[in-house]
Amino acid sequence: EVQLVESGGGLEQPGRSLRLSCAASGFTFDDYAMHWVRQAPGKGLEWVSGISWNSVYIGYGDSVRGRFTISRDNAKSSLYLQINSLRTEDMALYYCVKDKRQSIVGATFDFWGQGTLVTVSA
Amino acid sequence: QSALTQPPSASGSPGQSVTISCTGTSSDVGDYNYVSWYQQYPGKAPKLIMFEVSKRPSGVPDRFSGSKSGNTASLTVSGLQAEDEADYFCSSYAGNDNVVFGTGTKVTVL
Repeated sequence: EVQLVESGGGLEQPGRSLRLSCAASGFTFDDYAMHWVRQAPGKGLEWVSGISWNSVYIGYGDSVRGRFTISRDNAKSSLYLQINSLRTEDMALYYCVKDKRQSIVGATFDFWGQGTLVTVSA
Repeated sequence: QSALTQPPSASGSPGQSVTISCTGTSSDVGDYNYVSWYQQYPGKAPKLIMFEVSKRPSGVPDRFSGSKSGNTASLTVSGLQAEDEADYFCSSYAGNDNVVFGTGTKVTVL
């Protein structure tokens, strides 16, 4: 059974940093691209970032490019998101998401975690 | 990249059909057959119900179907059931390792 368990969310002040983690199990982690998708309270889904199976190809949404960094450790079956220069508009539930493919091309999100909540407030 | 445009709401009576549109541009929906649809219940994570425009993952009822014409993709739910009441989001690959989601549609079963 595929499991994606996010952690690292919490309350942080604007301008500070956070590192989200996602522990994956139930599938061969290094065979698939992975993504972060966020959802602000009561709002729609927003693709944040994606990384190919071998970390060669990485993409970011316009609103986070330059502030967020995605990475993965295939040996630990883990996905990460480093969030710098937090803004109030970054407040959202962050989902760790598995792709059906090895690459970001196509971006088909077949399994989702339950999310970790990031709250940004002074 | 701008979000794909979906109607905020759609509704139908049990047994009827409802179709949700997802309009993008020639740089995303119009350029790639990589449109997916997700169903989300309140407080739950989204679930993949359609990919590559018209392919259904295992376990998704064949009441759900997908299509695309030009820059607009569509999801049709036939034989509407109470359990289909949920939010639906489309997404599209947009080239250069970018992805864009739709604005979301709340489907109500009357």
